[in-house]
Amino acid sequence: AQTVTQSQPEMSVQEAETVTLSCTYDTSESDYYLFWYKQPPSRQMILVIRQEAYKQQNATENRFSVNFQKAAKSFSLKISDSQLGDAAMYFCAYSRLKGGADGLTFGKGTHLIIQP
Amino acid sequence: ETGVTQTPRHLVMGMTNKKSLKCEQHLGHNAMYWYKQSAKKPLELMFVYNFKEQTENNSVPSRFSPECPNSSHLFLHLHTLQPEDSALYLCASSPEPHNEQFFGPGTRLTVL
Repeated sequence: AQTVTQSQPEMSVQEAETVTLSCTYDTSESDYYLFWYKQPPSRQMILVIRQEAYKQQNATENRFSVNFQKAAKSFSLKISDSQLGDAAMYFCAYSRLKGGADGLTFGKGTHLIIQP
Repeated sequence: ETGVTQTPRHLVMGMTNKKSLKCEQHLGHNAMYWYKQSAKKPLELMFVYNFKEQTENNSVPSRFSPECPNSSHLFLHLHTLQPEDSALYLCASSPEPHNEQFFGPGTRLTVL
C-alpha cells in the first residue's frame, strides 16, 4: 500500500520569505501522480500543483514550485515570496496512474503560518 | 453554479437519526469520491464511483451508504451513527480516475 509522510506538523515563515514543505512517499509503482493541496480555514481543498512521475522537469505554478526526487521518493513544495493568504494546511497526496479508481492517499498535513 | 457543491454545510444529528449528505459537480467529471477528515488524522478515502459504478469501498462501516444516481450527483446516507463519526465529510470529483480531484466545501457533521 502507498503511504505519504509529511514530517513537519507546523512551519512558520515571515511574509515575503521563502519556505519549503517536505513530503516523502512510498510506492512500488513506477508511474504515478503527486499533488500538493492547500486547505485554508474555510476548509475548501484547493489544488496547488501537480507532478507526473514520468516527467523529470519539476512543476511550477507562479510562486509555487516542487523539487521532485523520484529515486529518493521525495516531493517538496517551495513557496516563494510568501503572502498572508498562503496561511493554510498543506497536504501532499499520491495517486496511482493505472488500475482501479483508488482515490488519493494523503499525508497528515503541514500547518503553514505566515508572520507579518 | 460552478465546481463541486455540498449540502448541508453543517449537520447535527442524534445517534438514532437518518440523514443524507448531497454532493453535486458541475464539471462534467466521470469519477466522484467521498472522504472523511477527522482531527489529527489524514484524509480517509471512503468510496469511489466511476461512471456511476462503485469501484471502491474502503472498509467503511455499513452505517454509511453511498448512492450515485448519475455522474453529477453523489449521496452519502447516514443511519445509527456513532459520536466518533463526527468529522468533516468531503466530496470530490475528477475527469477520470487518477487525475487531480476537485473538492467541495465539505459538510461538518456532529453526532450527539
